[in-house]
Amino acid sequence: NAGVTQTPKFRILKIGQSMTLQCAQDMNHNYMYWYRQDPGMGLKLIYYSVGAGITDKGEVPNGYNVSRSTTEDFPLRLELAAPSQTSVYFCASSYLAGGAGELFFGEGSRLTVL
Amino acid sequence: AQSVTQLGSHVSVSEGALVLLRCNYSSSVPPYLFWYVQYPNQGLQLLLKYTSAATLVKGINDFEAEFKKSETSFHLTKPSAHMSDAAEYFCAVSVRTGNQFYFGTGTSLTVIP
Repeated sequence: NAGVTQTPKFRILKIGQSMTLQCAQDMNHNYMYWYRQDPGMGLKLIYYSVGAGITDKGEVPNGYNVSRSTTEDFPLRLELAAPSQTSVYFCASSYLAGGAGELFFGEGSRLTVL
Repeated sequence: AQSVTQLGSHVSVSEGALVLLRCNYSSSVPPYLFWYVQYPNQGLQLLLKYTSAATLVKGINDFEAEFKKSETSFHLTKPSAHMSDAAEYFCAVSVRTGNQFYFGTGTSLTVIP
């Protein structure tokens, strides 16, 4: 039962570097999400996707990009990393439209930008 | 616009005491409401959800929550706290006309032996 798998779990970047956080789910869910979690701030939506080839911005998309070429994969790209992107990133998936189905979360990717 | 407010970023209870975590929401349309729990260094797990059936929702580990439309609240309760309940709890809302979920800022629950 893999569920939602995120890699890497930890990463340290230098300012200006780029990287991709990988997310894969094996539940055939159409809806996928990227959140960032900062202390005392809860979870903020970065990008989401309602199916392969369809993505949309969330609350805090600046500095990030996504793609969704398959149902299973939803990578998050960080371009020109900045200290403000130091955070814990969670990928999640859901199976129902209109927010009726619960979110299934990965274990998170902890990113530090120095 | 949708938003979620969790009153109290930190709550401490004694083992065996009642747990009450507060959540108020604002939504322009009937919402779906959720409570998630996060243990250290883990992702979030669903505790329970309200999707317009019974207003009193029962979840895992004896947690329950009541949807009160007049008060726009969805407070989480548990009759008797266990040490294993120590975690971060998040309330979330989604709306039927969209595909986004909005989270509160979380409440850290400490259980005192």
